[in-house]
Amino acid sequence: QKEVEQDPGPLSVPEGAIVSLNCTYSNSAFQYFMWYRQYSRKGPELLMYTYSSGNKEDGRFTAQVDKSSKYISLFIRDSQPSDSATYLCAMSASSGNTPLVFGKGTRLSVIA
Amino acid sequence: DSGVTQTPKHLITATGQRVTLRCSPRSGDLSVYWYQQSLDQGLQFLIQYYNGEERAKGNILERFSAQQFPDLHSELNLSSLELGDSALYFCASSGSGSSYEQYFGPGTRLTVT
Repeated sequence: QKEVEQDPGPLSVPEGAIVSLNCTYSNSAFQYFMWYRQYSRKGPELLMYTYSSGNKEDGRFTAQVDKSSKYISLFIRDSQPSDSATYLCAMSASSGNTPLVFGKGTRLSVIA
Repeated sequence: DSGVTQTPKHLITATGQRVTLRCSPRSGDLSVYWYQQSLDQGLQFLIQYYNGEERAKGNILERFSAQQFPDLHSELNLSSLELGDSALYFCASSGSGSSYEQYFGPGTRLTVT
C-alpha cells in the first residue's frame, strides 16, 4: 500500500460545479497536510495547508482533514475554467524542513 | 514566478550518458529538495540538502547524486542514463521556517532516447 493514495482522474465538471478532491493515507504520523496545484508545464504551487484535523477555508477553496479516517479533502466551490489543473495532496510528519510525501495528483478540467 | 530557477528547461540525451541539472533556490532559502515526476509514479522525493549538507534521502538511485554549493545553488547529476529516467525533475526550496511551504521551480524535462 502506498503511503498516500489519490485518484488520478481525470475529473471533468461544468463551470460553477462544486468539486471534491480526496486523498487517503496510511502513516498516522502525518500532521501537516497540503494541497498543491500544478498547471500544465509548470511546477506545483502551494494552494492550502492544514495542521492536524479540521477545516480551513480560503475563498472558494476549503480543505478538510479527518485524521481518524486518514482522509483529506479539497472542495472547490463555483469552479472556473482557470481551476483546470492537476491537484496534488502532500503530507509531512513535521514542519521542520522535511520532505513531503505527495499523492499522484488528480487532473481536473472545468468546462465553460 | 516562485523565485526558484532551474536550467536547462529541456534535455534530450542518449542512454548511457551523464547530465547535470541545476537549481537556484529562492533568495534566503537554505533547503533544496529534488523531486522526480513521471506519469506512473507521480512526484517522488529524491534528496534534500540544507545549507550545504545532505539532510534526507528518498528513492534516489545510486546512479544519481547531488550537491549544494556554498552559494546554495544545487546540482543533480544523473549518470548511466536509462530510458526509464525520462521524467520531469523539479527542484524546490524552503526557508528556515515551515517546510510545507515548498516553492517549486519550473522543472527540467529529461528525455533519454
